[in-house]
Amino acid sequence: NAGVTQTPKFQVLKTGQSMTLQCAQDMNHNSMYWYRQDPGMGLRLIYYSASEGTTDKGEVPNGYNVSRLNKREFSLRLESAAPSQTSVYFCASLGTGSRSEQFFGPGTRLTVL
Amino acid sequence: SQQGEEDPQALSIQEGENATMNCSYKTSINNLQWYRQNSGRGLVHLILIRSNEREKHSGRLRVTLDTSKKSSSLLITASRAADTASYFCASANSGYSTLTFGKGTMLLVSP
Repeated sequence: NAGVTQTPKFQVLKTGQSMTLQCAQDMNHNSMYWYRQDPGMGLRLIYYSASEGTTDKGEVPNGYNVSRLNKREFSLRLESAAPSQTSVYFCASLGTGSRSEQFFGPGTRLTVL
Repeated sequence: SQQGEEDPQALSIQEGENATMNCSYKTSINNLQWYRQNSGRGLVHLILIRSNEREKHSGRLRVTLDTSKKSSSLLITASRAADTASYFCASANSGYSTLTFGKGTMLLVSP
């Protein structure tokens, strides 16, 4: 099992460009999450999807859109990137049954110039 | 806003010493979890304590939860250089649809 995978690992964008961050999990989890991590700020929830076909806003959704393509995949899109979106982005999925922890991907380091 | 707040922000100890990190949260929780993050990596789950539990052990980890004070602590005993990482607490709301993370404690264990 690969767990949670994210692509790309690194990306540099210019202000105003768009891009999509990809996330996939092979653990048959229902819920998936997108976070951003900034220095000194911990992780903040951007969007989450409790199940295929549903998405909900988290703490910091402005400037982002998401798509839950199927049970495995949950993508995050920046339509018009801004320097304030420079961050490390993590995708996670939620364990089922007795496993109530979240499983994290390796992250995407995004720089917006 | 960040619900969990860890204390201290940074901790530097010698190998073999114990490390204690504290976490506070603001609202009712279903459970509280601790995660570890090595530099440049994703978070890894360490331990979960449910709201009706007061203490839990896993190997060298001991977690306590005081719901009356809305606080938790993580103790790592006999620390090793390999324990050097950032540690985050995360509180799960009553429905557990999301986690709210604290800002983390950076632990440095020197050989």
